[in-house]
Amino acid sequence: AQKITQTQPGMFVQEKEAVTLDCTYDTSDQSYGLFWYKQPSSGEMIFLIYQGSYDEQNATEGRYSLNFQKARKSANLVISASQLGDSAMYFCAMREFYTGTASKLTFGTGTRLQVTL
Amino acid sequence: NAGVTQTPKFRILKIGQSMTLQCTQDMNHNYMYWYRQDPGMGLKLIYYSVGAGITDKGEVPNGYNVSRSTTEDFPLRLELAAPSQTSVYFCASSFRDRDLAGAFGPGTRLTVL
Repeated sequence: AQKITQTQPGMFVQEKEAVTLDCTYDTSDQSYGLFWYKQPSSGEMIFLIYQGSYDEQNATEGRYSLNFQKARKSANLVISASQLGDSAMYFCAMREFYTGTASKLTFGTGTRLQVTL
Repeated sequence: NAGVTQTPKFRILKIGQSMTLQCTQDMNHNYMYWYRQDPGMGLKLIYYSVGAGITDKGEVPNGYNVSRSTTEDFPLRLELAAPSQTSVYFCASSFRDRDLAGAFGPGTRLTVL
């Protein structure tokens, strides 16, 4: 079974609008972390935002917020006031905190966001 | 700090050739990782290391080898390159395995023909 599922291969949003990128995950761990990364066309991986499984409040970082619904196992990324520079590939990832081992980051297949004028 | 650096940025190999992808970090991070990203996909873990002299397999280790003789360096060796190894390779590092995001290198684009 897929551990991270991103069901939107591509999304369009108009400049200055908000957009939600979906991510659902599957784990039996109680302790885990969820990450969102941005990958522009230049190829580098840029960390955006993190949510820990025990964090009670949704994470926010500037225009990025994470809509964390633990019971539904979803961790959607919300980008407010979209900018042309937000056009990129976005990856959701999960780190399961196995005791005693280097925890591994599992990635989804990504969502390509295109911001239009 | 230069962060995580990778060389080369691009490489074309013929089937059966070997090469080493270099990765260096100057942040004194204990944990280092090698990922590959196939076209249109997310990243998959190849190998990781929790410190100098200690390495372990990730999700897709076949066809690769690693070593970690120093904290700074974590080279990835491809022996007998195959077309299935055509991918973008990312090296990453973090101070602890639970670090929020770690740091990613810029990637190496490898094509095997």
